[in-house]
Amino acid sequence: EPEVTQTPSHQVTQMGQEVILRCVPISNHLYFYWYRQILGQKVEFLVSFYNNEISEKSEIFDDQFSVERPDGSNFTLKIRSTKLEDSAMYFCASTSSGNTIYFGEGSWLTVV
Amino acid sequence: EDQVTQSPEALRLQEGESSSLNCSYTVSGLRGLFWYRQDPGKGPEFLFTLYSAGEEKEKERLKATLTKKESFLHITAPKPEDSATYLCAVQARGSNYQLIWGAGTKLIIKP
Repeated sequence: EPEVTQTPSHQVTQMGQEVILRCVPISNHLYFYWYRQILGQKVEFLVSFYNNEISEKSEIFDDQFSVERPDGSNFTLKIRSTKLEDSAMYFCASTSSGNTIYFGEGSWLTVV
Repeated sequence: EDQVTQSPEALRLQEGESSSLNCSYTVSGLRGLFWYRQDPGKGPEFLFTLYSAGEEKEKERLKATLTKKESFLHITAPKPEDSATYLCAVQARGSNYQLIWGAGTKLIIKP
C-alpha cells in the first residue's frame, strides 16, 4: 500500500535554530498538508499546498513557517527560528481527491 | 465556528464487550466526516470517510454511521489489538480538503 514517508522521525533542536522537516507524499497525489499535534492535544491544521503554492494556512502558520516542494517528490516544512512552543509531532498528509487523506508517521520535534 | 466534539474521552472495555464512540460536529456545510485510528507516537491511520446522513461503512469489527449532527463508531466484540485513540475529523465544503479534528477517544480493551 502506498504511504507517506517523513524524516526525521525525531529531532531535538536548540531554541532559535532552523529546522526542516521532510515528507515524501504519495506519488500521484495533488494536495499536500502539514498538521501538528502538541502532546495531549488535538491535531491542528497548519497549511495546505496545491499546484505549487499555498492554498490555505492557519493562524499558527506565521512568518516563521514556510513550505516548499523543491522537486517532484519532496514536500518540506521549515521553521526559521524555533521556539519552545513549537515542540510537537508534525504530520505530513496527502490526497488525490480529498476522499481519502493519508498521513505519515510524523516527525517529533523537541525544542530545548 | 466549525467544531468537532468526541465522547467519551476514554473508554475501557473487556474483550468482547461491544460499545460505541460518539463524534458530534458543527460545520458550515459538511463535505465529509473522517474516522482515524492513532496508536501512541504514530500518525493517524485512515479508517472511513462518510459523506451523507444515513451512510454506513464497515471494516472488520468497526462500523461507522452518520447523521446530520453526529457520527458513531461502533465496535463489535473488540480485541486487545483494537486499543488505540480513535479520532474524528470533518471536512467543510469549499475548503482545500483540510480537516478539523476532535480530541479523540482513547479506547482500552482489556483481555
